[in-house]
Amino acid sequence: GDSVTQMEGPVTLSEEAFLTINCTYTATGYPSLFWYVQYPGEGLQLLLKATKADDKGSNKGFEATYRKETTSFHLEKGSVQVSDSAVYFCALSDGGSNYKLTFGKGTLLTVNP
Amino acid sequence: DTAVSQTPKYLVTQMGNDKSIKCEQNLGHDTMYWYKQDSKKFLKIMFSYNNKELIINETVPNRFSPKSPDKAHLNLHINSLELGDSAVYFCASSQEPGIYGYTFGSGTRLTVV
Repeated sequence: GDSVTQMEGPVTLSEEAFLTINCTYTATGYPSLFWYVQYPGEGLQLLLKATKADDKGSNKGFEATYRKETTSFHLEKGSVQVSDSAVYFCALSDGGSNYKLTFGKGTLLTVNP
Repeated sequence: DTAVSQTPKYLVTQMGNDKSIKCEQNLGHDTMYWYKQDSKKFLKIMFSYNNKELIINETVPNRFSPKSPDKAHLNLHINSLELGDSAVYFCASSQEPGIYGYTFGSGTRLTVV
């Protein structure tokens, strides 16, 4: 079945550091890929997405590129801020009739001033 | 206007009780979901309804019963609550998840004592 593997956290960075959170997937067909962010005490919010190979999703300084050859969708940001502290989830949609998103286990990011 | 709203936000109850969580979306989406998030932030899908029809029913104890009176509402009733039911329960909705992903509610934190 479909699966998403994220790098284990927690990840702790200083403000203005470079961020990479790795995400790889296993899926049949051509899934869509997503990154969600969950701030403390809140629900998940869509951060960015890519629906086909080589697409780059971007939002709020975060980027991720859909790499079919390496089945990856790594999240990057050039300069993190304290306000980026949150849990980040990689997810895929198989596009099948059951409309299900499969999530990774989440990566906790803490950014210190 | 909140797109996906859940009530209550917090629920503390004793073992053996029966409780309900309500969810409403005003986005006009056809599909709604219940997810359970455990203490390690792992998200597990429980149920999904598409236009009032149950389309996803994962391995969940029979004590959990979803009900969708119309496509804008999806409620979750839990009988005979157990300590292990303590978690955050998220409602979500989608129209074309392969393109747009999900819109999540802010969650209901259930604590069974």
